[in-house]
Amino acid sequence: KQEVTQIPAALSVPEGENLVLNCSFTDSAIYNLQWFRQDPGKGLTSLLLIQSSQREQTSGRLNASLDKSSGRSTLYIAASQPGDSATYLCAVKGSWGKLQFGAGTQVVVTP
Amino acid sequence: KAGVTQTPRYLIKTRGQQVTLSCSPISGHRSVSWYQQTPGQGLQFLFEYFSETQRNKGNFPGRFSGRQFSNSRSEMNVSTLELGDSALYLCASRGQLNTEAFFGQGTRLTVV
Repeated sequence: KQEVTQIPAALSVPEGENLVLNCSFTDSAIYNLQWFRQDPGKGLTSLLLIQSSQREQTSGRLNASLDKSSGRSTLYIAASQPGDSATYLCAVKGSWGKLQFGAGTQVVVTP
Repeated sequence: KAGVTQTPRYLIKTRGQQVTLSCSPISGHRSVSWYQQTPGQGLQFLFEYFSETQRNKGNFPGRFSGRQFSNSRSEMNVSTLELGDSALYLCASRGQLNTEAFFGQGTRLTVV
């Protein structure tokens, strides 16, 4: 059974510092991994999708890496801003079709 | 291009009642999946529909059901509501089964 873990559960950084968020999964038989952002009481906003054949994806200040063999993905957010404060979730999609989510990392960026 | 639209945004129901939630996917998307989010359990998969067929189902009781129409819009029904069904219900759409998932804003269901 696939299990997805996100560490740390919460993170507070001063504005301008780089953010490093970790995601690990137990079963490497995945189709893809997706990172999301969720603001309080809102839906999920897709940040990056990495297919199983890819090692990384970049979008603006965001960069996500994927090491399928070790069951790890890392999301880097460069030069954090207060607007980056949110909960970040990773999800893996396996052959069973559903997205399996981690519990999320709650990020606070202080001005 | 319009995103995923969920209606209603908020609902308050009484125990024992039933409820129907609606999800309109992004135009051209044929896959719709549903998730339940609670503080204690996080995000849990309910079911996924693709071209009107249920492709996968999560570990929820039979009180939770869904369907998808020919225009890809989907509905989720919960019968005999329990207090524990209070949650944020999220719907996601995809163009194909292994592509990027886009989520709606969710329906906040409160059972009293």
